[in-house]
Amino acid sequence: NAGVTQTPKFQVLKTGQSMTLQCAQDMNHNSMYWYRQDPGMGLRLIYYSASEGTTDKGEVPNGYNVSRLNKREFSLRLESAAPSQTSVYFCASSGGQMNEKLFFGSGTQLSVL
Amino acid sequence: EDQVTQSPEALRLQEGESSSLNCSYTVSGLRGLFWYRQDPGKGPEFLFTLYSAGEEKEKERLKATLTKKESFLHITAPKPEDSATYLCAVYSGANSKLTFGKGITLSVRP
Repeated sequence: NAGVTQTPKFQVLKTGQSMTLQCAQDMNHNSMYWYRQDPGMGLRLIYYSASEGTTDKGEVPNGYNVSRLNKREFSLRLESAAPSQTSVYFCASSGGQMNEKLFFGSGTQLSVL
Repeated sequence: EDQVTQSPEALRLQEGESSSLNCSYTVSGLRGLFWYRQDPGKGPEFLFTLYSAGEEKEKERLKATLTKKESFLHITAPKPEDSATYLCAVYSGANSKLTFGKGITLSVRP
């Protein structure tokens, strides 16, 4: 059972470039999330999708867009990358509500130069 | 505003030396307190959920407890493989928000 799979694992971008982070889960979960993790800070929610066809902003959505492609897949897009978006990005999923345990992917380390 | 404060920031233990990690919180309408373990270069892995004051849960050398203001993760006779960062998070029922603490980095020396 793969759980939550994220690609790529590492990425270096130049300021202004765009890219999409991919996430897929095989646990038939309804809810999916994108977090960023920065040194000295807790995980912060970027966007989430409570069910297929819905997406909502989290704590730090500026500069990002998301797509819930189907029940399995939830992608995060940076349209014009900025150095402030250098971070480690985690995708997560849960069976339903956010007060259920989260299953995390292994992360994408993104550097924007 | 919901807040989660974890202390200490880092903890170094000798193998077998028991200790506790602290998670203090202020939240509107607690609907769950979570502990996760995160190894370097990996995503957090779920350990426990606690829902009400007085609740306790155990898993191997770990025991999590909850009061109205804080949670403790007790580690009994730790081993080097317990070295990791431990994250605490609280879910607010009032604003449907999950707030993470900054984590505690535990290092256990053989």
